[in-house]
Amino acid sequence: AQTVTQSQPEMSVQEAETVTLSCTYDTSESDYYLFWYKQPPSRQMILVIRQEAYKQQNATENRFSVNFQKAAKSFSLKISDSQLGDAAMYFCASSDSNYQLIWGAGTKLIIKP
Amino acid sequence: EAQVTQNPRYLITVTGKKLTVTCSQNMNHEYMSWYRQDPGLGLRQIYYSMNVEVTDKGDVPEGYKVSRKEKRNFPLILESPSPNQTSLYFCASSLVGHEQYFGPGTRLTVT
Repeated sequence: AQTVTQSQPEMSVQEAETVTLSCTYDTSESDYYLFWYKQPPSRQMILVIRQEAYKQQNATENRFSVNFQKAAKSFSLKISDSQLGDAAMYFCASSDSNYQLIWGAGTKLIIKP
Repeated sequence: EAQVTQNPRYLITVTGKKLTVTCSQNMNHEYMSWYRQDPGLGLRQIYYSMNVEVTDKGDVPEGYKVSRKEKRNFPLILESPSPNQTSLYFCASSLVGHEQYFGPGTRLTVT
């Protein structure tokens, strides 16, 4: 069965610093998508970034970027210039052959002012 | 504005009293899904639908029903709610195979 693993239950970073959240996944698919979602205290699920597996170039969205290592099945999220509003749970997810999303357990990110 | 809406946002009910949580999207997405989120267990899929009149079970379908009579709507039905169905529920939609867009969540408490 496909799995997504986030090995860091909690991370903290000083405001304005950079932090990297880890995610590994296990899939036998050749074509799939990877996502990072953010869930702030409001509980809304917000898409942060997506990566198509066939693309070698790492996706970026403003201060958010990924390090996609397909052979290692690793998909980490880097947040630059961390802001207080970045404090949230972050979930990594991958799509399976039936287009379902497989979710990691989440990483709680704390921003220290 | 493109969005997924859920109603109600908060609901407290008693064991056995049938309830429906509505979900609607205005993005013409084929795919819709229901999840529940519980502390320490992450997001678990209840049911999903790839298109109108096509629904399939997710990981935790017991105690739930869904229907997809129209493309935009995907209601979640609890015929006889029990306390173990107390949870935060999310509806999501997407183009098939693409990123999912989530509703604001419905916090359900069954006493």
